[in-house]
Formats: sequence, structure tokens, C-alpha cells
Amino acid sequence: AQSVTQLDSHVSVSEGTPVLLRCNYSSSYSPSLFWYVQHPNKGLQLLLKYTSAATLVKGINGFEAEFKKSETSFHLTKPSAHMSDAAEYFCVVSEAGGGADGLTFGKGTHLIIQP
Amino acid sequence: DSGVTQTPKHLITATGQRVTLRCSPRSGDLSVYWYQQSLDQGLQFLIQYYNGEERAKGNILERFSAQQFPDLHSELNLSSLELGDSALYFCASSVDWGTSSYNEQFFGPGTRLTVL
Repeated sequence: AQSVTQLDSHVSVSEGTPVLLRCNYSSSYSPSLFWYVQHPNKGLQLLLKYTSAATLVKGINGFEAEFKKSETSFHLTKPSAHMSDAAEYFCVVSEAGGGADGLTFGKGTHLIIQP
Repeated sequence: DSGVTQTPKHLITATGQRVTLRCSPRSGDLSVYWYQQSLDQGLQFLIQYYNGEERAKGNILERFSAQQFPDLHSELNLSSLELGDSALYFCASSVDWGTSSYNEQFFGPGTRLTVL
């Protein structure tokens, strides 16, 4: 079975400072990992994905994440936060060959950007 | 805009009633997925259809059912509604099944269901 734990329910940073959103996963198979963003009253948008290629993954809007198998982590980072980054972020896992194509979502991290 | 459309945007109904949520996938996508987002359970995968056939089931209640039609649109039917069914229901679509690098899931804007 697969699961994902987002270690912080809320993260608050000042505009222009780095962002770190932490995610740990558990998977019986080779996982695919994703970060999705949800802005208020909007649907979910894919930020980036890891599917067993390069361990450092670059996404949209300056975000990137590093897959660390030894630590079972997939933390999301951005060098400099922008006000428009304020949103809910979801770390997501899916197991290749696990038999189910549905995604397993973390509880979400609410990112607050202070002016 | 992801290209996935969902109707209606909002739905308010009473306990015990039945509702149908509709989803149109992106042009060319054969897979449709349904997810439920609630405050206590978070985002949960319900069910997936691929080219008209059920492919995978998640945490879907027996009171809920879905189908995918020949034109590839999908409907999620929720019956004997309870207060706890109040949630945001998302539909997503992808070109294929599985989690290969090209098979990204694109999400619709969601239908907010309120059960009174």
C-alpha cells in the first residue's frame, strides 16, 4: 500500500525568501511522485512529477523537488517566494504496477506568503 | 484551463436524495478519474474508467456509482445522500492509464456538493 505524509499543515514565509514544503512517502512498488497546487476556489494543477528519471525535478513557476529514495522524501522548494504562490500544495504518490491508477494525496500544506 | 469540464459547479440537496455529477474529459483523453475532497478525509480517489470500462476502484461507497459513456464523458451518481457526503468532487482525465511520465492527470474545477 502507498501513503504520503506532508510534515507541515501550514508554512508561512516572507515574500522573496525560500520555500520548503516537506513530504515523505511510503510505497511497495516503484513510485511516481507529484506535487499539485490548488489555488482558492480552483481545481488542481500539476507543478511537477518524478517518474524514475532524474532525481531532481524542475516544475512550473520556479518550483523544484528532489527525490531521495534513502530518505523516502520528495520535498518541494522554491528559491524566492512570490505572493501568487499562496495556495494549498499536495504531495501525491502513485505506484507503477500497483494495480490502481488513482493518486494518493497527502493532507496538504497551506502556504502563506507574508508581504 | 485544464480542458476538463464539470457540471454543475454547485449542487445543494437534501439528505436521502440522489444526484448526478457530470464530467467531460479533455479531447483525446480516454481515462476519467473521480476524487472526493472533504475537510476530514482530504482528497481521496474514488474510481477510474478507461475507454468505457471500470479500471480501478478506490474508497468509493456502495451508494456511489459511476459510468463512462461511448463519447467518453462520465457521470458520478451519488444516492441516499448523507450530511457527510458534502464535499468537493473532482474529475480528472488522462490520455491513457497507468502512471508513466506522459500520462498526466488533468483536473476539472470541481463540483461542490452540499447536503442539508
